[in-house]
Amino acid sequence: DAKTTQPPSMDCAEGRAANLPCNHSTISGNEYVYWYRQIHSQGPQYIIHGLKNNETNEMASLIITEDRKSSTLILPHATLRDTAVYYCIVRIRSSNQAGTALIFGKGTTLSVSS
Amino acid sequence: DGGITQSPKYLFRKEGQNVTLSCEQNLNHDAMYWYRQDPGQGLRLIYYSQIVNDFQKGDIAEGYSVSREKKESFPLTVTSAQKNPTAFYLCASSIASGGGSQPQHFGDGTRLSIL
Repeated sequence: DAKTTQPPSMDCAEGRAANLPCNHSTISGNEYVYWYRQIHSQGPQYIIHGLKNNETNEMASLIITEDRKSSTLILPHATLRDTAVYYCIVRIRSSNQAGTALIFGKGTTLSVSS
Repeated sequence: DGGITQSPKYLFRKEGQNVTLSCEQNLNHDAMYWYRQDPGQGLRLIYYSQIVNDFQKGDIAEGYSVSREKKESFPLTVTSAQKNPTAFYLCASSIASGGGSQPQHFGDGTRLSIL
């Protein structure tokens, strides 16, 4: 699986959009970009994933650049409860999904303040 | 509500004891996983199972054992052979359809400490 690079920490004011960047310059054509977050002492929470098109769900939007070498997770209106560590993961698409572990790096610690 | 339930939330073990961590899911997922997380670190895969009565070792299986007798359940036993068992243990599950990109969904973890 390709490696990802994320800033160690970011701050965001409550109610503003939080834009979390991720570089994955060695990503290959069959690798998806996944985003998870982990609030202290809880299990990771799945947020969103995509291959090459931008994606949006009830939690966030995922913008993937045309060359697929980087992506941005957007939380449109951050709240205090969005304070967490956010992980960007690239994972190969495989018929044997069950055999592919998620490789979590150190992620970005997002601090939302009022 | 569908989800993954891990119990207990906190567990204490004496030296030389085996302990079993429970993981139950009602998502009808085929695949289940056990990860270990140490402070400030990412997750590392211990074991995974694609179907009932079948499981495979992950990157750090030594000192651990699992069983998969039911689709809903994937208990993890931390044996006395695991020399550094203090960690946060996370169970996950996913659909295991071919060619898909199904995300894994996690429970809230069990924190194991040695007395």
